[in-house]
Amino acid sequence: QKEVEQDPGPLSVPEGAIVSLNCTYSNSAFQYFMWYRQYSRKGPELLMYTYSSGNKEDGRFTAQVDKSSKYISLFIRDSQPSDSATYLCAMMAAGNKLTFGGGTRVLVKP
Amino acid sequence: EPEVTQTPSHQVTQMGQEVILRCVPISNHLYFYWYRQILGQKVEFLVSFYNNEISEKSEIFDDQFSVERPDGSNFTLKIRSTKLEDSAMYFCASSRTAHGNQPQHFGDGTRLSIL
Repeated sequence: QKEVEQDPGPLSVPEGAIVSLNCTYSNSAFQYFMWYRQYSRKGPELLMYTYSSGNKEDGRFTAQVDKSSKYISLFIRDSQPSDSATYLCAMMAAGNKLTFGGGTRVLVKP
Repeated sequence: EPEVTQTPSHQVTQMGQEVILRCVPISNHLYFYWYRQILGQKVEFLVSFYNNEISEKSEIFDDQFSVERPDGSNFTLKIRSTKLEDSAMYFCASSRTAHGNQPQHFGDGTRLSIL
């Protein structure tokens, strides 16, 4: 079983729709959970980070963590064509090594 | 907003040659990292560095790899004798602390092509 699993997509949505992304993981030691956005030929750009279970909202973005189910989600409201990118989940245990999912490619069509 | 900068953006090297990838982390950050992303694959951790020492490394980070902070601003990754399979995007990252509540910020990477 892979440590972090993420559907590669592509996920295609019309502009204005809600984008729903998720990752599952197997390592119960993960405590910190991040979402990064990566445009083509660019580095990962931090969008959200959370600790422990619960929700966190920042503008159009909402991150959810369910540690009992080992499942995290990212929702993007009112999606824009500029949101078209690859979205990476990443997780960290007690150390400082990030473990990434494979990324989900999102296409927001005008 | 402060950012991590990496040079060069693209490096082409003959197999067997040494290569040095350079990074300038965010100025008040104390922890530095290298990751790599082979085309079509996940971003993978290579090494973390704090207080002039490696704090953690992956099994990818073998004796061919080394890291250094040669001065107060640069952080480098050296690959001594490059192999074809070293071709990848190499990302530098930095964070203020090692805790997850001070997350890692990434540069735009160096694309390393080994011929």
